[in-house]
Formats: sequence, C-alpha cells, structure tokens
Amino acid sequence: DTEVTQTPKHLVMGMTNKKSLKCEQHMGHRAMYWYKQKAKKPPELMFVYSYEKLSINESVPSRFSPECPNSSLLNLHLHALQPEDSALYLCASSQDGGAAANYGYTFGSGTRLTVV
Amino acid sequence: AQKVTQAQTEISVVEKEDVTLDCVYETRDTTYYLFWYKQPPSGELVFLIRRNSFDEQNEISGRYSWNFQKSTSSFNFTITASQVVDSAVYFCALSARSNTGKLIFGQGTTLQVKP
Repeated sequence: DTEVTQTPKHLVMGMTNKKSLKCEQHMGHRAMYWYKQKAKKPPELMFVYSYEKLSINESVPSRFSPECPNSSLLNLHLHALQPEDSALYLCASSQDGGAAANYGYTFGSGTRLTVV
Repeated sequence: AQKVTQAQTEISVVEKEDVTLDCVYETRDTTYYLFWYKQPPSGELVFLIRRNSFDEQNEISGRYSWNFQKSTSSFNFTITASQVVDSAVYFCALSARSNTGKLIFGQGTTLQVKP
C-alpha cells in the first residue's frame, strides 16, 4: 500500500461548526504532515508530526488542532473557522521526519474545505 | 534562507510541442534535495522526481527529462511531445538538511496543453 488516504474529499462547514479531517497511511512512515493550499498558490506547511510527536507548528491559529493517535493516523480538528480558511488541505507522509528528503514525501489527494 | 523560483506562471502549448518548465533555487546548504510534483485538477500532488545535490546527472523518464545544473542553481523540467493529459500545475520544491527537511515550494507553473 503506497497511498495516503484523506477523508472526506469535500467538506462544507459553518463558522460555528466543529469538524475533523482524517489522514491515513500504511507505509510504515514515521512522519506525517498537514499542508494548506489556497487556490493558485503552493502548499504551505502547517504541522509536522515525527514519531507521533508534534515537531513543527508553523504558527497556525489554534482553531486548527492536529492530533496523531498512532503512527498511521493523522487528524486535523477544526473549530470556529473563518471563510478565509477555505482551502485544499493536504496530508503527506515520509519515512522519517528529520531526514525526510532522503526518502521523499507521499501526498494524499486532499480535502477541499469550504467555510460558509 | 531557502527559496524556489518558478518564473513562468502559465504556459500554453499545442499538443506534441516540447515545453520546458524553469526552476531556480537558493540555498546555502551543501546537502539538499530537489523535487518536481504535478498537481492535476483533482488536487493530488503527484511525485515526479527527486534529485540530491551530489547527483548532477540528468534524467530521462519517458517523455519527461530533467536538467540539474548546480552552477546556475537550476533544475529544469522538459516534457517532450506534450499531451493534453500533461495539463496541470507543476511545482518545483527544495528540501535542505538545515531546514529539518521541510519542503519549500515554488509558486508553480500552470501548463495548458491544447489539442
């Protein structure tokens, strides 16, 4: 299995809602990432988990809350989002966190989030 | 600081034409990796190639080829005999050892291949 699976593929939520994005991989990778991508822009790193511990938080607002329950699963909990948070949220994994580039990154197909 | 520049925002070609996507990078690290990703309208980032800083050998994979030149800090990507299915956004990215492996993306080049 060489895939990163993200669910749901599309999500529409109100500003007062609480929702979660899910990411799963079964490649034995020990680092997982959340990226945010606005239209016509490159992906921007949000969080990095390495060996199930949060290693990088790119100054992301607290309305985004990541969670890594185990080495195969990564969640992004959303609460009180703003319309400007509407974007494509991409999950990625790599074999190792610190030397991830040695092994490359595998990306999921993303969740298209719309905040209304 | 690391930076990736893709000067071409949009390129439009007619099918069967060859097209080159430019990528220029900046880093002070001696150990780094360069990547190309393809992003079709579906959204998934599709890995195309990874090249480390010690390997300047050019690579060819089918209709795709890559020209890595450290002297000009460039890692250009050429599609030969383009096809409509090549239409996508292409990102060049850099990961340097000193930056804990974070991927730094260029702004992307939108390629449109017309039939």
